[in-house]
Amino acid sequence: SQKIEQNSEALNIQEGKTATLTCNYTNYSPAYLQWYRQDPGRGPVFLLLIRENEKEKRKERLKVTFDTTLKQSLFHITASQPADSATYLCALGNNDMRFGAGTRLTVKP
Amino acid sequence: GAVVSQHPSWVICKSGTSVKIECRSLDFQATTMFWYRQFPKQSLMLMATSNEGSKATYEQGVEKDKFLINHASLTLSTLTVTSAHPEDSSFYICSARNPGLAGVADTQYFGPGTRLTVL
Repeated sequence: SQKIEQNSEALNIQEGKTATLTCNYTNYSPAYLQWYRQDPGRGPVFLLLIRENEKEKRKERLKVTFDTTLKQSLFHITASQPADSATYLCALGNNDMRFGAGTRLTVKP
Repeated sequence: GAVVSQHPSWVICKSGTSVKIECRSLDFQATTMFWYRQFPKQSLMLMATSNEGSKATYEQGVEKDKFLINHASLTLSTLTVTSAHPEDSSFYICSARNPGLAGVADTQYFGPGTRLTVL
């Protein structure tokens, strides 16, 4: 069966450090992968999309990599800030999207 | 832009009543909308895909007679939870694709969610 696993339920880091979140998948061949941010009691907010033929995407302090051989995506937030604290979801897509359970990131001042 | 709204943002109802949740795309037309539910500290679970002008496609295990979906226009989809029970209490979120946005046509834009509590 298809599985999407995000490395850990929670990740705590110090302000200014780089946060790295992992998304692994099995039994799936997505055409693209997306990362979303979700704050408590709110809907997810789209951050980045990366396609199967792309290896890396950047947007401001965010960087996403996509390795279809390893079946893994890494999501980096550089120079992290307390305002980056949220749950981050990866989602794999073809015609529809399947979500991972998310990683709750806490950036401490 | 791609703004999606939901109404109401929260609702409390008695067991056995029906609740309707609206999902609107405010600045674009969406031929396809998606309905998810999310339990605390869990991921989003796709319930159904709502297609404008045709029947919704439900995921396995989702009762179509309990969760009625209507997509009557290109900007509005509704989810009606019929004869709601406490186990239906959850966070319901809709999303829509904006095919007109170049480069991110596959991206889903989410509404703010509706918290349903059934007493």
